[in-house]
Amino acid sequence: SQQGEEDPQALSIQEGENATMNCSYKTSINNLQWYRQNSGRGLVHLILIRSNEREKHSGRLRVTLDTSKKSSSLLITASRAADTASYFCATEGNNRLAFGKGNQVVVIP
Amino acid sequence: EAQVTQNPRYLITVTGKKLTVTCSQNMNHEYMSWYRQDPGLGLRQIYYSMNVEVTDKGDVPEGYKVSRKEKRNFPLILESPSPNQTSLYFCASSPGTLTTNEKLFFGSGTQLSVL
Repeated sequence: SQQGEEDPQALSIQEGENATMNCSYKTSINNLQWYRQNSGRGLVHLILIRSNEREKHSGRLRVTLDTSKKSSSLLITASRAADTASYFCATEGNNRLAFGKGNQVVVIP
Repeated sequence: EAQVTQNPRYLITVTGKKLTVTCSQNMNHEYMSWYRQDPGLGLRQIYYSMNVEVTDKGDVPEGYKVSRKEKRNFPLILESPSPNQTSLYFCASSPGTLTTNEKLFFGSGTQLSVL
């Protein structure tokens, strides 16, 4: 099955700095999605980018997708303490979403 | 309020004692799915359902059963739980098929411990 792999696995930054996470995958996809999880709670959808899109913005989030390299990146600009969470990429194929292992981000006030 | 509701939130049981984790959504969603989350392994899909009476295996279906008799409910059944099924379980739903670029809505999770 397909699976996204996030890199780096853990990130610690100061409030106000930007946070960048990368995700790689192995097979062709219809779309790639990013989710956030706070402290073992349910995941919350952040943004979806279709396979024919290269970049997408939503508030302080910017996602890029490079299908030739099978990779995506999530940028959170001007981070806040409330952005502290785990971030997962998920790739869609054959009506299933396959999740990566997650990326722990800690924003220090 | 639109939501996916899982029960119970926490469950401690013993090996071999059958249990059911319930999942219900009030959004008239077609697609429902179960995931388990383990440290270092991320989320892995157990089963999914694209509509009533239609269920399919995910990546780790062994030891689990599901049913989709009604659109809103998608219970996860462990007929004979074992310690390696100790995990954090999530139910999720989506308005339509994921190939139409739909997102998943997640429940709050069920932390299961099998002793």
